[in-house]
Amino acid sequence: QKEVEQNSGPLSVPEGAIASLNCTYSDRGSQSFFWYRQYSGKSPELIMFIYSNGDKEDGRFTAQLNKASQYVSLLIRDSQPSDSATYLCAVTPPGGGADGLTFGKGTHLIIQP
Amino acid sequence: GAVVSQHPSWVICKSGTSVKIECRSLDFQATTMFWYRQFPKQSLMLMATSNEGSKATYEQGVEKDKFLINHASLTLSTLTVTSAHPEDSSFYICSASASGRGDTQYFGPGTRLTVL
Repeated sequence: QKEVEQNSGPLSVPEGAIASLNCTYSDRGSQSFFWYRQYSGKSPELIMFIYSNGDKEDGRFTAQLNKASQYVSLLIRDSQPSDSATYLCAVTPPGGGADGLTFGKGTHLIIQP
Repeated sequence: GAVVSQHPSWVICKSGTSVKIECRSLDFQATTMFWYRQFPKQSLMLMATSNEGSKATYEQGVEKDKFLINHASLTLSTLTVTSAHPEDSSFYICSASASGRGDTQYFGPGTRLTVL
């Protein structure tokens, strides 16, 4: 059973602070890891993907992957009210993306002005 | 690049009718397309995976005779909800992945289906 776990929140962070979102996955052979942002009533939009252990930075976003701990996180620096959304962690199975993504239930993030 | 469209964006239908939803990749060829369903306050659940020219692979618990998928070309996949019932009311979202872009999936804007 493939599982991706996220704290549903809500996670409340003051504007300008760092928001830290966490995700764990059960399938040790998972290859690719994605963070999507979903606004209410909208479809997910890709923020970042990461394949290798360590950190990957893109603007205000940093993804961190630790395969030994089966843990992936997303840091959002200088949080803005527009960052308020649900953040979905997604994982591909060991066979790769051809079998689709397994999503966590998402973390609801609220940035307080 | 990597734009995916869906049509219609919302649809309301009577119980027992069929509804077709189109998913198109606008600026790339999608080797694989995926169909997801999302109920309110729930996560996305994969319904099926389709590759151009072959039969779709359905997830456990998804009725293939009720949710018909046709992947007619490298830019178009359709999902037909047959004999829709109120419990089929949901947000249906497609995504597409392209050869050479790894496992990244690009999502369409979704179709909100309401069955009366």
